[in-house]
Amino acid sequence: GENVEQHPSTLSVQEGDSAVIKCTYSDSASNYFPWYKQELGKRPQLIIDIRSNVGEKKDQRIAVTLNKTAKHFSLHITETQPEDSAVYFCAASRGSYQLTFGKGTKLSVIP
Amino acid sequence: GAGVSQSPSNKVTEKGKDVELRCDPISGHTALYWYRQSLGQGLEFLIYFQGNSAPDKSGLPSDRFSAERTGGSVSTLTIQRTQQEDSAVYLCASSFWGSSYNSPLHFGNGTRLTVT
Repeated sequence: GENVEQHPSTLSVQEGDSAVIKCTYSDSASNYFPWYKQELGKRPQLIIDIRSNVGEKKDQRIAVTLNKTAKHFSLHITETQPEDSAVYFCAASRGSYQLTFGKGTKLSVIP
Repeated sequence: GAGVSQSPSNKVTEKGKDVELRCDPISGHTALYWYRQSLGQGLEFLIYFQGNSAPDKSGLPSDRFSAERTGGSVSTLTIQRTQQEDSAVYLCASSFWGSSYNSPLHFGNGTRLTVT
């Protein structure tokens, strides 16, 4: 089955700096890669996703890149703000109901 | 509109007791999922429903765990003879279709289960 590795497990950045979280996956047939943000005590929420037919997708301060050859994808957050502090989960799927999640990255943005 | 609703939000139970966790998905969503989130771990898949049937129960940790869904809507996850290692946050999610590619998952706030 699919295996998703996520790094780092914790990340601290100064407000205004950029943050990068990386994930690798094992199943070359995976074609859908969402990112979820979970604030303390709240539900995971989808913040951005990418499909295998594109290499990069942006939404304001958030971007995701995908390298299918290397089987890795990354989340980039620019101009970080305190409200970006949360746990971020990457996931991979073949497009079916099965989503395999990474173990999460706790991002702390220091004011 | 209303999101995925789970109850109770917190449950403390004694080892050996049975517990029932409830999930109300978003209206019209045909697919429903249960995940378990333990401290420092990711989201562990438990079971997937399409309508009232569960084509994939492969993530249920043991035969003490069971789940059902009725009327294509509400689902309950039952844990019998709870053990301390069952302590975790149990998350429910729903999606319009059972295809993550076309239909993203919407999660509930979860039920935090503590077994003492």
